[in-house]
Amino acid sequence: GIQVEQSPPDLILQEGANSTLRCNFSDSVNNLQWFHQNPWGQLINLFYIPSGTKQNGRLSATTVATERYSLLYISSSQTTDSGVYFCAVDEGGSEKLVFGKGTKLTVNP
Amino acid sequence: DAMVIQNPRYQVTQFGKPVTLSCSQTLNHNVMYWYQQKSSQAPKLLFHYYDKDFNNEADTPDNFQSRRPNTSFCFLDIRSPGLGDAAMYLCATSRGVFANTQYFGPGTRLTVL
Repeated sequence: GIQVEQSPPDLILQEGANSTLRCNFSDSVNNLQWFHQNPWGQLINLFYIPSGTKQNGRLSATTVATERYSLLYISSSQTTDSGVYFCAVDEGGSEKLVFGKGTKLTVNP
Repeated sequence: DAMVIQNPRYQVTQFGKPVTLSCSQTLNHNVMYWYQQKSSQAPKLLFHYYDKDFNNEADTPDNFQSRRPNTSFCFLDIRSPGLGDAAMYLCATSRGVFANTQYFGPGTRLTVL
């Protein structure tokens, strides 16, 4: 099956810093999503981005489908950005998602 | 404006005592999913329904069952919970067609005593 690797596994920032999270995947995809899991455990959709670039406030994402990677950019980080960021891709064009292991982000005040 | 609702948010059960978790959605999506997430791990798909078509993952234990009585509701039954079944259980939905987005509920945290 498809493999999804996220890096770095852990990231510690001071409030106001910028960061880039990476997701590599081993096969072509029709679906790629970035999620933020908050401290209460809920997975929040950030982006649906199988290709191209999107921006939403301080967050933006870019997927280069031909090179099989996606990047999530967080600018001017805030303590509320803390949590785990997951990348997930579809498996073989199905309705199922395969998750990476996540990047744990800690933003200190 | 809740779209995917899970009840209860926290569930405590005893070893071997059956438990049922519920999920409902207001999105009228065709597909509903159940994931198990243990501490510091990624969500793991247990099974999903595409309409009434049930799809079990190969490594989902028999101890886990599911019911989808209608489009809006889906239940996860754990017949005899063990200590290893303590986890966050996440329900998600999607339209199920090409290039679809999954939307997650807030989860139910299960504790097994």
